[in-house]
Amino acid sequence: EAGVTQSPRYAVLQEGQAVSFWCDPISGHDTLYWYQQPRDQGPQLLVYFRDEAVIDNSQLPSDRFSAVRPKGTNSTLKIQSAKQGDTATYLCASKTGGWEQYFGPGTRLTVL
Amino acid sequence: QQQVRQSPQSLTVWEGGTTVLTCSYEDSTFNYFPWYQQFPGEGPALLISILSVSDKKEDGRFTTFFNKREKKLSLHIIDSQPGDSATYFCAASYSNNRIFFGDGTQLVVKP
Repeated sequence: EAGVTQSPRYAVLQEGQAVSFWCDPISGHDTLYWYQQPRDQGPQLLVYFRDEAVIDNSQLPSDRFSAVRPKGTNSTLKIQSAKQGDTATYLCASKTGGWEQYFGPGTRLTVL
Repeated sequence: QQQVRQSPQSLTVWEGGTTVLTCSYEDSTFNYFPWYQQFPGEGPALLISILSVSDKKEDGRFTTFFNKREKKLSLHIIDSQPGDSATYFCAASYSNNRIFFGDGTQLVVKP
């Protein structure tokens, strides 16, 4: 069974540029999460979906961040006008009925 | 407010030794406590987990202990191996959805 896949694996931007991250969850997993993991910190939830519905986006940092999951499968996280403080690894995770979340390898973002 | 706190931030042990990582949490409604292991360049992977109805869970060389009264957990790794060198995250959840992570312990096992 394929795991959670993410792309790109790395991104380097200048401040003010936009970037999108893409996630393909494990097939059949109805719940999908996006986390931000700053260097030397634990993952922090940004948003999560059940199927195509946003369940909780209260932790999205600002209007600059948005996430969609239009067909309840793949998902895209977008940052408009990136700032240096957005430098972090962005992790996608998915799960089905149990407790365990399965994480992808992440996208490492550097904003110069 | 940090919901889950871990200590130490980093730890070095010799191969064959026992590693002990500790964790405390704030919210008494948490009822699921996973430990995740993360290698550089990879996402976290579930190592072992425990529900609040138990006080101990063992899986091979890894054992997690849970103390509900003190709101504390620990992870013990016996016969530590260089391949165990990674960052370990304690986490907690109450809703079967949102997981709160600590800031991790970087473990180095020296041969």
